[in-house]
Amino acid sequence: GENVEQHPSTLSVQEGDSAVIKCTYSDSASNYFPWYKQELGKRPQLIIDIRSNVGEKKDQRIAVTLNKTAKHFSLHITETQPEDSAVYFCAAPGGTSYGKLTFGQGTILTVHP
Amino acid sequence: DVKVTQSSRYLVKRTGEKVFLECVQDMDHENMFWYRQDPGLGLRLIYFSYDVKMKEKGDIPEGYSVSREKKERFSLILESASTNQTSMYLCASSLWDRGNPYEQYFGPGTRLTVT
Repeated sequence: GENVEQHPSTLSVQEGDSAVIKCTYSDSASNYFPWYKQELGKRPQLIIDIRSNVGEKKDQRIAVTLNKTAKHFSLHITETQPEDSAVYFCAAPGGTSYGKLTFGQGTILTVHP
Repeated sequence: DVKVTQSSRYLVKRTGEKVFLECVQDMDHENMFWYRQDPGLGLRLIYFSYDVKMKEKGDIPEGYSVSREKKERFSLILESASTNQTSMYLCASSLWDRGNPYEQYFGPGTRLTVT
């Protein structure tokens, strides 16, 4: 099955700085790479995703890059704000045809004002 | 707007009890999932279902079973609760198109404590 490794486990930045979270995956058949944000006490919610036919996708201050050769993908947050503080999870489906996702271990991002 | 609801936000059970966690989604999604969330371990898949009465084991199915009698409802059953099953349980649902995973929508979670 798919194995997803996520780093770092914790990340602390000053407001206005950039933050980068990286994930590697094992199954070359994976073709969909979502990122979820979970605020304290809330449910995880999708913030951005990328499919394997593109190398980068942006949505305002967040972007995801994908390197299929190296089997890794990254979340980039620019001009961080305190409300970006949350746990972020990456995921990949592996070769399954049922929409199952394997999640990374999570990154606790803290943005200091 | 997709809504996924779970029967309880907090639950306290005794060791050996049979525990039922219920999840309902209102968007006619084919797929439903049960995850367990523990600090530092991310979201680990317990079971998932891709159709009524169809189920598959996830990564950590031991000690759990599931039931999906109706498309909108997916139940997680702890046959004999143990203290190591104390955790946050999250349900999710998604569309499924052959070969194309889609966004998973999560419920609010059930914090289960087994004493």
